[in-house]
Amino acid sequence: GAGVSQSPSNKVTEKGKDVELRCDPISGHTALYWYRQRLGQGLEFLIYFQGNSAPDKSGLPSDRFSAERTGESVSTLTIQRTQQEDSAVYLCASSDGIFFYEQYFGPGTRLTVT
Amino acid sequence: GENVEQHPSTLSVQEGDSAVIKCTYSDSASNYFPWYKQELGKGPQLIIDIRSNVGEKKDQRIAVTLNKTAKHFSLHITETQPEDSAVYFCGGAGTASKLTFGTGTRLQVTL
Repeated sequence: GAGVSQSPSNKVTEKGKDVELRCDPISGHTALYWYRQRLGQGLEFLIYFQGNSAPDKSGLPSDRFSAERTGESVSTLTIQRTQQEDSAVYLCASSDGIFFYEQYFGPGTRLTVT
Repeated sequence: GENVEQHPSTLSVQEGDSAVIKCTYSDSASNYFPWYKQELGKGPQLIIDIRSNVGEKKDQRIAVTLNKTAKHFSLHITETQPEDSAVYFCGGAGTASKLTFGTGTRLQVTL
């Protein structure tokens, strides 16, 4: 079946502009995660949604970052007033909520802030 | 929270040789340890995982071992092939349903 999809695949934006990144999880997956991966670095947890529970926002680096999820479907990660240090690949993952930990990743959105 | 350390950061092996990547974790409550492979320009792909009630798991050329007492686990790839070249990440998770990842190992398989 279809995997996790993300759009856009690449985004170039000017410093100070807002950006929205989209994630479509695997159908039926109740848990959704966002990560940031800077060039040559590991995966940095940002936020986690599980069903209708309040999201775990403990990884969001500043109040410029926010995310929403509608039910158990699409999620959007919004970065306001982008800075050059926001340049990274933003990865989304989903899991089925049964074996929470088995996360399946999308291809990522490469964000470049000029 | 959980802290996962991964070594080495880079590893070069000749085709046909074995590769071993090691991770340690800090939270004794962690009970799930996956390994992901990330090829250039792609998202990480789950290749194998192990839960804390098992000491070893094998899938064809890859295997993972877990030592709960020492809080470390390892990925073993035998008979390496050029297509094994990628960045490998280990992870650990406990009750929080949140994975903590290691910093990655860049594996290069040379001909």
